[in-house]
Amino acid sequence: TQLLEQSPQFLSIQEGENLTVYCNSSSVFSSLQWYRQEPGEGPVLLVTVVTGGEVKKLKRLTFQFGDARKDSSLHITAAQPGDTGLYLCAPGGSYIPTFGRGTSLIVHP
Amino acid sequence: KAGVTQTPRYLIKTRGQQVTLSCSPISGHRSVSWYQQTPGQGLQFLFEYFSETQRNKGNFPGRFSGRQFSNSRSEMNVSTLELGDSALYLCASSYNRVGESGANVLTFGAGSRLTVL
Repeated sequence: TQLLEQSPQFLSIQEGENLTVYCNSSSVFSSLQWYRQEPGEGPVLLVTVVTGGEVKKLKRLTFQFGDARKDSSLHITAAQPGDTGLYLCAPGGSYIPTFGRGTSLIVHP
Repeated sequence: KAGVTQTPRYLIKTRGQQVTLSCSPISGHRSVSWYQQTPGQGLQFLFEYFSETQRNKGNFPGRFSGRQFSNSRSEMNVSTLELGDSALYLCASSYNRVGESGANVLTFGAGSRLTVL
């Protein structure tokens, strides 16, 4: 089982602030995915990163895959209340999908 | 295009009872995988069904079982419920088998929230 550590566990910020959350492991991944789960809903896939050092942008969200493909970060610029949710990372191609515990983000208006 | 539909959304059972949850995947998707989400353990993989066959299984006791029908709809059953089974049960559908491609493309339903009293 590939263990994924996500940090911080909780984050409570004001609208307009920037933030970064992390996903770390001792294992090398062929790809890594980020999901966002809003209250009362299931997780929604945001992005898949494949190449070491890869940076992908999704509007105000910037995802980076570590050069060694063991870790990833998600940076949100000018957070909005609509960004509130649980952010989960997971290896992209695992036969037994294993998710990190997630970072629970609350953005206050 | 309809998403993944899970029923019921909420249910309350007592210890010792059994429960059956249903998942209708996106039309054309052949894989349905099931997950248990709790505050303590996070999101954990239960099992995957593809072409009516269980393909992979997580580390859960035999009280947790499932099946898939010819139309790809899936059900999961939990027998002899325990208090610790209280959780959000999520299913996800995908066209390919989980792990078959370089990156799983899972579409999750909204979940069934089970409370065991």
